[in-house]
Amino acid sequence: LAKTTQPISMDSYEGQEVNITCSHNNIATNDYITWYQQFPSQGPRFIIQGYKTKVTNEVASLFIPADRKSSTLSLPRVSLSDTAVYYCLVGAVMDSSYKLIFGSGTRLLVRP
Amino acid sequence: ETGVTQTPRHLVMGMTNKKSLKCEQHLGHNAMYWYKQSAKKPLELMFVYNFKEQTENNSVPSRFSPECPNSSHLFLHLHTLQPEDSALYLCASSQETGGHYGYTFGSGTRLTVV
Repeated sequence: LAKTTQPISMDSYEGQEVNITCSHNNIATNDYITWYQQFPSQGPRFIIQGYKTKVTNEVASLFIPADRKSSTLSLPRVSLSDTAVYYCLVGAVMDSSYKLIFGSGTRLLVRP
Repeated sequence: ETGVTQTPRHLVMGMTNKKSLKCEQHLGHNAMYWYKQSAKKPLELMFVYNFKEQTENNSVPSRFSPECPNSSHLFLHLHTLQPEDSALYLCASSQETGGHYGYTFGSGTRLTVV
């Protein structure tokens, strides 16, 4: 059964760049890749979305290789407030039906 | 305020109780979702509604009963729950179903079944 895969956790320090990679081997041709951020006891919050190549907004960049089987969320110069769980969301065809799948999430800890 | 409001924020209920969770969105979206988030597990999609019609029930036990009276409101009726149903229940909405549309989530209802 296809699914998205992310590292369980990552540690970083304030001011560093953090890159979180998600693999999604069964991504469908028309699917977009979306990343969310979640703080404890809150709902996930949209960060960035892309289809291919590179997308950048005021908080992050998203890198997607040509085969689209993975994506990398890049957070420049993280701060303590970036400590959160980051989820990769893609649509995927599983068992001939269309499903939206959350990754297991990557727990990012930013240290002073 | 995210545009998706969930009430109550916290709920403690006994296994024989009946309660309801409420979700409301003022974003003009046509799709609404219920997710369950248990400790140390990925978000689990429970139900999907598109234009008030249920389009997906992800093998959810019948003790969870959704209701979508219009595109702005979504309820989750709970009855005879089990302690393992304790979790954070999240409501989300999107313009329509499908991966192209980003989801807006509410802050969730923290449910504890005793």
